[in-house]
Amino acid sequence: QKEVEQDPGPLSVPEGAIVSLNCTYSNSAFQYFMWYRQYSRKGPELLMYTYSSGNKEDGRFTAQVDKSSKYISLFIRDSQPSDSATYLCAMSEWGTNAGKSTFGDGTTLTVKP
Amino acid sequence: NAGVTQTPKFQVLKTGQSMTLQCAQDMNHNSMYWYRQDPGMGLRLIYYSASEGTTDKGEVPNGYNVSRLNKREFSLRLESAAPSQTSVYFCASSEAGLGELFFGEGSRLTVL
Repeated sequence: QKEVEQDPGPLSVPEGAIVSLNCTYSNSAFQYFMWYRQYSRKGPELLMYTYSSGNKEDGRFTAQVDKSSKYISLFIRDSQPSDSATYLCAMSEWGTNAGKSTFGDGTTLTVKP
Repeated sequence: NAGVTQTPKFQVLKTGQSMTLQCAQDMNHNSMYWYRQDPGMGLRLIYYSASEGTTDKGEVPNGYNVSRLNKREFSLRLESAAPSQTSVYFCASSEAGLGELFFGEGSRLTVL
């Protein structure tokens, strides 16, 4: 069993829809939770970053972490065609291992105009 | 702002050939990483360097070697390339003790 499992997708939604992307994990030592966005043939770029349970909002994006259930989500409101990309969840431990992220396999999202 | 720069962007090798992927960052980060990305498999850590002068194995180190040349540069070497090493390789950097990674644009390697 993988340490991080990500809903595989792909997802196709109409413009303006609310999108929910989800990951579960098994390692209780994970303390940092990240979402990266990766456009085709580009490197991943950090979208959201949190280190505690609860919600974090940034514009149209909300990251949600539930450590008790070992479950994280990314919500995209009013989705736009420019949001079409692969979304990767990532997690890491505290301290010197913080940069050694374990990634989900990614969910490819297409937002249709 | 250059961020993380990788070279080359594309490379085709024959089985058994060697090559080095170069990576440099200009963000004064202490930690640097090499990941590989294969279709449907996410990103897997090959090697990392927590600070200048140190390197350590990640999840999939076999067939690779690394050198942390200085604080800015971290190279990945394939001594004898195999078709299983066909992949997209990403270099990343981070502040020590933080989870945020900053990635380069990737190096696409094909081994025939």
